[in-house]
Amino acid sequence: ETGVTQSPTHLIKTRGQQVTLRCSSQSGHNTVSWYQQALGQGPQFIFQYYREEENGRGNFPPRFSGLQFPNYSSELNVNALELDDSALYLCASSLAMGRLSEQYFGPGTRLTVT
Amino acid sequence: DQQVKQNSPSLSVQEGRISILNCDYTNSMFDYFLWYKKYPAEGPTFLISISSIKDKNEDGRFTVFLNKSAKHLSLHIVPSQPGDSAVYFCAASWSAGANSKLTFGKGITLSVRP
Repeated sequence: ETGVTQSPTHLIKTRGQQVTLRCSSQSGHNTVSWYQQALGQGPQFIFQYYREEENGRGNFPPRFSGLQFPNYSSELNVNALELDDSALYLCASSLAMGRLSEQYFGPGTRLTVT
Repeated sequence: DQQVKQNSPSLSVQEGRISILNCDYTNSMFDYFLWYKKYPAEGPTFLISISSIKDKNEDGRFTVFLNKSAKHLSLHIVPSQPGDSAVYFCAASWSAGANSKLTFGKGITLSVRP
C-alpha cells in the first residue's frame, strides 16, 4: 500500500507565472483535499475533490483551481502567482465515506515565488 | 479571524515529564477535534481525536481533554520522549466525516530534552 506522494518537492517561480502541483492519493482513496501552509501558520483548506468534482472550497481566489483524474490523483493549479503564494502546499487523501482520522497527508510541495 | 488558536508557539520539557499542549477555539459549530504531529519534510500525521460529546480520549501516552464550555482542549503526553519533539497542530471540524474540512491552529513546537 503506497502512501500519498506529491511532486515536485520544491519549486521556484516568478511573480505572474503559473504553477501546477501534483498529488497521488493513497491506494484506494477517492477524495483529495489541498491545503496551503504559509510560514509560521497552520495549514489552510483550499478545496476538496471527489469523483473529479470540486466538493467544497475555502477562502481562496479563483486563480487557485484543481483537477482530479479517474485514478483519483489530483493537480493544484495557481495562475498569476503572487509573492504571498509562497508556502508549503499539502494534499491529503481519504475515502469519501471514511473518517477525518483516516485522512493521510503527503509531504508537501514547497513553492517559492520571487 | 483565527477560529483555532494555539497561543504558545513553543514548549520545552524534560524527558519523562508531562507535556501539556493547549488549544482554544471560537466557533461553537465545531464538533470534532484532532491533534496532528509534524516532523520537518513530512506531512502532518494524525495523533488523536475527540468528539464534542466526550471530554476525554486516551491512546497510550497521549490523552486529549475537551472543555466545551470554555472552548478549550489540551493534549497531554506522559511520559514525554525525545522522539516526541515535533510541531503539534490542533485542528477542528464540523464533523468526523472525511468530506469535512479541517481548520488548523498555527502549531506548537515541542522540544523534549534528554
